[in-house]
Formats: sequence, C-alpha cells, structure tokens
Amino acid sequence: AQTVTQSQPEMSVQEAETVTLSCTYDTSESDYYLFWYKQPPSRQMILVIRQEAYKQQNATENRFSVNFQKAAKSFSLKISDSQLGDAAMYFCACRMDSSYKLIFGSGTRLLVRP
Amino acid sequence: GAGVSQSPRYKVAKRGQDVALRCDPISGHVSLFWYQQALGQGPEFLTYFQNEAQLDKSGLPSDRFFAERPEGSVSTLKIQRTQQEDSAVYLCASSPVQGPTGELFFGEGSRLTVL
Repeated sequence: AQTVTQSQPEMSVQEAETVTLSCTYDTSESDYYLFWYKQPPSRQMILVIRQEAYKQQNATENRFSVNFQKAAKSFSLKISDSQLGDAAMYFCACRMDSSYKLIFGSGTRLLVRP
Repeated sequence: GAGVSQSPRYKVAKRGQDVALRCDPISGHVSLFWYQQALGQGPEFLTYFQNEAQLDKSGLPSDRFFAERPEGSVSTLKIQRTQQEDSAVYLCASSPVQGPTGELFFGEGSRLTVL
C-alpha cells in the first residue's frame, strides 16, 4: 500500500525567512505524481505545487519550490520569503499513475511569526 | 459558481439520524471525488465518479455510506444511521479531466458532528 509520511506536526518560521517542510512516501510504482496542498482555516484545499515523478527537475512556483529525491522517496517543500498568509496546514500527497486516489500525509501546521 | 460548492457547511446530527451532504462541482468537470477528513488528519479517499458512473467506492467505510451523481453533475453523499465515528469534514473535489493527471479543485467541505 502507498503511504505518505509527514514527520513534522508543526513548524514555525519568522516572516521573510525560509522554511522547509518534510515529506516521505512509499510506493512500488514507477509513475506517480506528488503534490503539496495548503489548507487554511476555511478548509478549502489549495494546490501549491506538483511534481511528476518522471521529471528530474524540481518544480518551482514563485516562492515555493520542492526538493524531489526519487531514490530516497523524499519530497520536501521550501517556502522562501515567508508571509503571514502562508500560515496554514500543509499536506503532502501522492497519486499513482494507475489510480484515481490521492493519498495524503497527516499534515504540518505552519506558523508564521511577524 | 466559479468553484466547488458544498452544503451544508456545518451539520449536527444525533446518533442514528440520516444525513445528506451535497456537492456542486465546477461546471463541466468530468471527475468528482469525495474525501473524509477526521480532526487533525489528512483527507482519506471515499469514492470517485467519472460523469455519472461511480468507478471506485473502495474507500466508503461501511454500507451506511452511499454516494450518487445521477446526472453527472451534482453529487450527494448520504450517511445512514450516523455514528459518532462519522464525525469529520467531508470534502468534495472535481477535475476537468478523466484519470489521475488532472488538478483537483476542492470545496470548503461539510463538517459533520454526530452527538
């Protein structure tokens, strides 16, 4: 079975600083997609960034970037120049090419200190 | 509307009552998913529709849970004889494409509390 693990229940960062959220996953398949979602108190999941496993280049979206280590099955999220609006729950998720299901981790709560 | 709409946003039910949760996906979206998110946890897959066809219901926790999407648009998740362990946020998501590659657009969820 596929699993996604987020070992940091909570992280804190000073505004304008950089923070890295960790995620590891386990799958026996070779083709899959990895995602980071943000969930603010409104509960609506918002896609932050996605990475296709066949792409070696790490995805980047403005202040958000990933460090994808396929051999280590690691997929961390780096947030640069943190802003107060970044405070939320962040979920790492994985979807196999052969499946419809998103498998989520348990989440990391990000606190941003002004 | 522009996004996925879910109703009600909050529902309190007494144990044993039946509840129905509604999802209005983005117009034209082919795929529709339901997820269950317990307090402090990540969402867990319940079921998947492609148009009106329910292609996967492997995540439904018991036969008390039933989902439908009769015209390939609005979907309803029904829970019969609710139990306290059913308390959770139920998230609906839709995607414009079939299969696993499309981006999912989530609603704000329906929070169910069973007393």
